Amino acid sequence: NAGVTQTPKFQVLKTGQSMTLQCAQDMNHEYMSWYRQDPGMGLRLIHYSVGAGITDQGEVPNGYNVSRSTTEDFPLRLLSAAPSQTSVYFCASSPDRGRGGYGYTFGSGTRLTVV
Amino acid sequence: GNSVTQMEGPVTLSEEAFLTINCTYTATGYPSLFWYVQYPGEGLQLLLKATKADDKGSNKGFEATYRKETTSFHLEKGSVQVSDSAVYFCALSNGDGLTFGKGTHLIIQP
Repeated sequence: NAGVTQTPKFQVLKTGQSMTLQCAQDMNHEYMSWYRQDPGMGLRLIHYSVGAGITDQGEVPNGYNVSRSTTEDFPLRLLSAAPSQTSVYFCASSPDRGRGGYGYTFGSGTRLTVV
Repeated sequence: GNSVTQMEGPVTLSEEAFLTINCTYTATGYPSLFWYVQYPGEGLQLLLKATKADDKGSNKGFEATYRKETTSFHLEKGSVQVSDSAVYFCALSNGDGLTFGKGTHLIIQP
């Protein structure tokens, strides 16, 4: 059971480049989400999805796009990278959105540097 | 809106000392509460959770009790080990993702 898989683990981009961070889960969880982790800021929610075809914005959505075509995959797209997007990105999934106490399963993260 | 406040540290303790990391929250409705742990270079692992008032979550010697009257979820451990050194995050969820505190860096010295 792989859980939540994120690729790549590390990435360096130049300002203005685009890229997609991949996230896949094999637990049949309906709920998936993306967070960024910055020093002294904790983790902040970027976008989330409650099921295939449904996405919504979190606390810090600007500069990021998402889509959810399947239950398993929830990619995060940076259309024009900026140095302010240098961060560690985590994908997480949950069967019950945290309400039933199952919690969220996190991937191992993608460390992104924008130069 | 939702918010979580926790002591940021670093918190430095000697092995076998008693640990308390304070966490208080503000939320609408009745959120679920969580403690996550992050070891260096790794992702977040769920440490324990509680879904309603007076619930006690426990795991690996750590405990936390959901106190609605004081809106708190303090993390405790009776005797810490060097291997407990990590960053600990308090978080809540009311259905639209997790809201995290800023994290507490715990350092246990032998």
